[in-house]
Amino acid sequence: KAGVTQTPRYLIKTRGQQVTLSCSPISGHRSVSWYQQTPGQGLQFLFEYFSETQRNKGNFPGRFSGRQFSNSRSEMNVSTLELGDSALYLCASSLAGRIYEQYFGPGTRLTVT
Amino acid sequence: AQTVTQSQPEMSVQEAETVTLSCTYDISESDYYLFWYKQPPSRQMILVIRQEAYKQQNATENRFSVNFQKAAKSFSLKISDSQLGDAAMYFCAYRSQGGSEKLVFGKGTKLTVNP
Repeated sequence: KAGVTQTPRYLIKTRGQQVTLSCSPISGHRSVSWYQQTPGQGLQFLFEYFSETQRNKGNFPGRFSGRQFSNSRSEMNVSTLELGDSALYLCASSLAGRIYEQYFGPGTRLTVT
Repeated sequence: AQTVTQSQPEMSVQEAETVTLSCTYDISESDYYLFWYKQPPSRQMILVIRQEAYKQQNATENRFSVNFQKAAKSFSLKISDSQLGDAAMYFCAYRSQGGSEKLVFGKGTKLTVNP
């Protein structure tokens, strides 16, 4: 069974630009969550989608948005990039409910210059 | 707000020895899940072990075991017979028993295994 895939793996953008990151969950998984990982703030929850609906959202500005498609693939978008948005963005998928394991993707390393 | 605290930014252990990583949490709910995740230099997060708060028995997965003290809100990870491949960042995390899959992570402990 293929794992969670994230594209692209690495990305360099300039301040003010926007970026879209993609996450393909494990087949059959309907829940997708996104996290931002930085050395200073650690791992912070961005948002969670289940069956195309945003179920939960972290404490991030409106520049961060996401969506989920009918095939459970998810995208997150960051507009008007700032230097502080440089981070590893991790996506996780699960069957959802109870204590089912969340499987993480390899992440997208975003560098904003 | 729910918080997870890992008080040891770095730990080291000799190969084949035992090490314990600490985690405390401040959660107001009575039912929740606790996890330890491992993140090696490759950055791929891997679940090490999980514990359901309503279970009194400590979880065990091969060389990994936890000491879950619900009243003290403590959830430590013990790694026995440490191996070089255990070197990684270890994150303690909490998840509500409710519908959300949201994980709240601690800051992590960097584990070094010395040969």
